[in-house]
Amino acid sequence: EVQLVESGGGLVQPGGSLGLSCAASGFTFRSHWMSWVRQAPGKGLEWVANIKYDGSETYYVDSVKGRFTVSKDNAKDSLHLHMISLREEDTAVYYCVRVVGIFCRDSFCYPTWFDPWGQGILVTVAS
Amino acid sequence: NFMLTQPHSVSESPGKTVTISCTGSSGSIASNYVQWYQQRPGSVPTTVIYEDNRRPSGVPDRFSGSIDRPSNSASLTISGLKTEDEADYYCQSYTDRVWVFGGGTKLTVL
Repeated sequence: EVQLVESGGGLVQPGGSLGLSCAASGFTFRSHWMSWVRQAPGKGLEWVANIKYDGSETYYVDSVKGRFTVSKDNAKDSLHLHMISLREEDTAVYYCVRVVGIFCRDSFCYPTWFDPWGQGILVTVAS
Repeated sequence: NFMLTQPHSVSESPGKTVTISCTGSSGSIASNYVQWYQQRPGSVPTTVIYEDNRRPSGVPDRFSGSIDRPSNSASLTISGLKTEDEADYYCQSYTDRVWVFGGGTKLTVL
């Protein structure tokens, strides 16, 4: 059974830093792209970041570029998100998600859908 | 920026059929796959449709997905509605190294 378990959330002041981790099991972690998706309280889903299966490429939503860094430790089957310069609008439940499927266009191949999702972990940015 | 627009809410009676739309803001929605996720209250999202019209194992065939090129929209259709289908539904696609979710549609089965 695929399992994704997030850790590291909590309360942080605006401008502060926080790191999230995700322990993966039940699948070949090194073969899969991984993602962080967040959901602000009472709001919809927002894709945050993706990392290629070997960690060689990373992609971010514009609002977190330069502040968030996603990394992948294939030796330890773990995914990480390091967040700095946090803002109140970063308050959300952060989900660790495996990304699956493959589609190639214009010499770029990317994974298409998110499955499964971890239980999520709450990050609250407030003074 | 590419956006996916969904109706905020829809409602229908048990046993009926409902369709939720997802309209792309630019380009052709048919150029990249569209997925649909169900999020029941207090639960994590799960996939009900992937790659436009494919169902993961365990998802009943009451759920179906389609693409309409003229309207640049994707649709999720749920037939034979059950009270357990009451949830938020999100479409998702991709463009230019960005993965995008729609704003979500709250389905009420009453």
